[in-house]
Amino acid sequence: GENVEQHPSTLSVQEGDSAVIKCTYSDSASNYFPWYKQELGKRPQLIIDIRSNVGEKKDQRIAVTLNKTAKHFSLHITETQPEDSAVYFCAASIQRRNTGFQKLVFGTGTRLLVSP
Amino acid sequence: EAQVTQNPRYLITVTGKKLTVTCSQNMNHEYMSWYRQDPGLGLRQIYYSMNVEVTDKGDVPEGYKVSRKEKRNFPLILESPSPNQTSLYFCASSLTGQKLAKNIQYFGAGTRLSVL
Repeated sequence: GENVEQHPSTLSVQEGDSAVIKCTYSDSASNYFPWYKQELGKRPQLIIDIRSNVGEKKDQRIAVTLNKTAKHFSLHITETQPEDSAVYFCAASIQRRNTGFQKLVFGTGTRLLVSP
Repeated sequence: EAQVTQNPRYLITVTGKKLTVTCSQNMNHEYMSWYRQDPGLGLRQIYYSMNVEVTDKGDVPEGYKVSRKEKRNFPLILESPSPNQTSLYFCASSLTGQKLAKNIQYFGAGTRLSVL
C-alpha cells in the first residue's frame, strides 16, 4: 500500500551536533518529497523539498538527500540550535490512479530536541 | 496576506452533536484538503477537493463529510461526532493537486477538537 516510514520517532542531540532523520516510501512513482517542521502548537511549515530528478538539495544548515533506487530520503540538519527543536514530518507524493491527481502521504513524525 | 484560515481553533463538544469546522483560503487555490493529526500517526488525509463541487475520500473519511460549493471554502462536517474523532485537524490548500512538485501545500493554524 501507500505508506511512508519515518525514523527515529524521537531524537535528542546537543547544540552544535548534526541530526539526521530518515524516511522510506513505497510508491516508485513518487516524485516529490517535502519536509515540514511543526513547532509546538503551530501549523506544519515547509522547510525544504526535493524532486525526483535531483539527488541532493541544500539550504543553509539543512539538506535533503534522495536515493530513488532504495526509495529512501533523509533530512540533515547541521550545527543544530535549540530553535531547531520541533516535530519534523517527511512526505511523499502519491499519484491517485483514478483521477491522476496527487496527494501527500506523511510519515509519523520525528520529535527533535536540541539541548543547549 | 496569503493564508488558510480555520475556525474555530478550539472546540469541546459532546457525542452526537453535529459540528462544522470551517476552512477558507484567499489564494484562489483549486486544491484543498483536510488532515487529522494524532500522536504517533502523523498527518492522515480525511477528504480532499480538486475544485468546486469535486471532492473525494482520503485515507480516513469515516464519520466526516465535506462540501466545496465555492472555491475559497472547504468546511469539514461531523454529523455525529464520537470520542475517537478527538484530534487536531488541519486544513491545507495548494494551487492544484495535479503536480505537487510545483505547488506548495499551505496549512491552516489547526483546530483542536475534543469530543466528550
